[in-house]
Amino acid sequence: GAVVSQHPSRVICKSGTSVKIECRSLDFQATTMFWYRQFPKQSLMLMATSNEGSKATYEQGVEKDKFLINHASLTLSTLTVTSAHPEDSSFYICSASGGMSGANVLTFGAGSRLTVL
Amino acid sequence: AQSVTQLDSQVPVFEEAPVELRCNYSSSVSVYLFWYVQYPNQGLQLLLKYLSGSTLVKGINGFEAEFNKSQTSFHLRKPSVHISDTAEYLCAVSDLYNFNKFYFGSGTKLNVKP
Repeated sequence: GAVVSQHPSRVICKSGTSVKIECRSLDFQATTMFWYRQFPKQSLMLMATSNEGSKATYEQGVEKDKFLINHASLTLSTLTVTSAHPEDSSFYICSASGGMSGANVLTFGAGSRLTVL
Repeated sequence: AQSVTQLDSQVPVFEEAPVELRCNYSSSVSVYLFWYVQYPNQGLQLLLKYLSGSTLVKGINGFEAEFNKSQTSFHLRKPSVHISDTAEYLCAVSDLYNFNKFYFGSGTKLNVKP
């Protein structure tokens, strides 16, 4: 089946530093990956759509200079939270479509919990 | 744009009792509908999906859901729950033109008590 790996699962950083989160499709090629953010007791909010070889498409209200997305290969997308602040602390989840699940089903990574001190 | 409403933020239920988790959606075009389960600090696991065809969809772990176009609903049901079903359940919708763009409801926490 389709598997999406996300790393790191937890990260703690100091305010002002940058943090990179990786999302990999392990057994299939994903031309499109998606990044979500989840606040406590709230639903997933789509942040951006990451397309291999081109610029990411950001949802309204998401700062593209704050959340840098790179999709350099068919199996890897990265999200970099630049100059992180405590309000950026959240659970970030990536997803990818394709593989055995089919093009119109998303497979999610296990998520990355970011805590900014 | 699509939207999803899960009216029940929490549903407490005793073990072996039946349960229904409600999901209503809003869309001006044909939709695809999904239910995902999320365990604490984990990603999402697909329970079931409706893409087309039979409106009654069966998924993993004994769950099923029924697509009702006239009521714009996709309620999730299980005839007998287990303690291990305790988790967050999220309903999601996408559409024919942007089938990879998912919109999620706010989630329902199912709490199964012994």
